[in-house]
Amino acid sequence: GAVVSQHPSRVICKSGTSVKIECRSLDFQATTMFWYRQFPKKSLMLMATSNEGSKATYEQGVEKDKFLINHASLTLSTLTVTSAHPEDSSFYICSARDIRDSEETQYFGPGTRLLVL
Amino acid sequence: AQTVTQSQPEMSVQEAETVTLSCTYDTSENNYYLFWYKQPPSRQMILVIRQEAYKQQNATENRFSVNFQKAAKSFSLKISDSQLGDTAMYFCAFRNTQGGSEKLVFGKGTKLTVNP
Repeated sequence: GAVVSQHPSRVICKSGTSVKIECRSLDFQATTMFWYRQFPKKSLMLMATSNEGSKATYEQGVEKDKFLINHASLTLSTLTVTSAHPEDSSFYICSARDIRDSEETQYFGPGTRLLVL
Repeated sequence: AQTVTQSQPEMSVQEAETVTLSCTYDTSENNYYLFWYKQPPSRQMILVIRQEAYKQQNATENRFSVNFQKAAKSFSLKISDSQLGDTAMYFCAFRNTQGGSEKLVFGKGTKLTVNP
């Protein structure tokens, strides 16, 4: 149980284009999902908290107009990197919290590697 | 603000031996969750073990156990009978239970290598 998937696993795009990354909870419902960014050999940096049916909460320094988050259902959240630039190249990881889990553990997706040329 | 410190950037251990990874944190809260996550070369984050601060008993999961010292704000991870598959980055993480924040605060990680 508690499986989270991400799609795509890796994507290469041209500078100036937009890229959408999906995060799905496969066997549980998640009112809250989280988006992280991880640079090579570094820790995870929380970008935003995605809440089903409402606006995402962004961390300080994260541009909400550049990193669009939509959480339209209890099993799906999407992150769209708009007008991507080479500095947006990174590893993006989502996590989801099972609403039935009283200990509120976050389960992580396998990540999406984004390369902007 | 809460902070999590992992003072060992890298560690190595021989297969079948025991290794302990350190983690300290800073908070003014009384109740919270602590986690250890493992990130192997595949980069999939895997939950290793979790501990609630109000529980005095140290959590254990098979070969993994923690030494939770609340007063010292210390949460170390002990891996017994180390296996080659334990080679990974290990992240200690903190989460508040108060104020509605569900954010995980991560340490910088410890790279563990298990040698044959």
